Amino acid sequence: KAGVTQTPRYLIKTRGQQVTLSCSPISGHRSVSWYQQTPGQGLQFLFEYFSETQRNKGNFPGRFSGRQFSNSRSEMNVSTLELGDSALYLCASKGDPPGNTEAFFGQGTRLTVV
Amino acid sequence: AQKVTQAQTEISVVEKEDVTLDCVYETRDTTYYLFWYKQPPSGELVFLIRRNSFDEQNEISGRYSWNFQKSTSSFNFTITASQVVDSAVYFCALSETNTGNQFYFGTGTSLTVIP
Repeated sequence: KAGVTQTPRYLIKTRGQQVTLSCSPISGHRSVSWYQQTPGQGLQFLFEYFSETQRNKGNFPGRFSGRQFSNSRSEMNVSTLELGDSALYLCASKGDPPGNTEAFFGQGTRLTVV
Repeated sequence: AQKVTQAQTEISVVEKEDVTLDCVYETRDTTYYLFWYKQPPSGELVFLIRRNSFDEQNEISGRYSWNFQKSTSSFNFTITASQVVDSAVYFCALSETNTGNQFYFGTGTSLTVIP
């Protein structure tokens, strides 16, 4: 059974640009969540998508957005990049029902903003 | 308010020693779930164990064991006979039923096992 796949693994962008990250969950999983990991703030929840609908959102500015496709693959977009957006972005795939199952994480996309 | 606290930032042990990682959580939910994840240098968070709030039975799984105590809101994790491959950052996480699949993570404990 394939795990969670995130692409690309590494990305270098310039301030002001925008970026799109991709996540393919485990087959059959409909929930995809995104987390930002930085040395200063740790792991912070961005948002969760379930069956193409955003079900929950963390405390991030509107520059951070996402979507989910009918095959459960998800994309995360960050517009007008700032230096502080440099982080490891992790995607988590989860089965049903909510809450009582573990989440499986991808290896992440390491974004560097210069 | 921070919901998961891992007071130990870094721990070093000599191989074959036992090590316990501490986790204290805060929640108002009566039904919630606690997890431990391991993050090796590759970056991927690897699931280790899960415990439901309504099941306080402590278990052992191979070299891993955990001690869940609702009275003190603690969910400690022990590695027995540590190995060099156990070196990683360990995260405790909380999931509440009223916030769906959102995980609240602690700040992590970096474990170094010295050969």
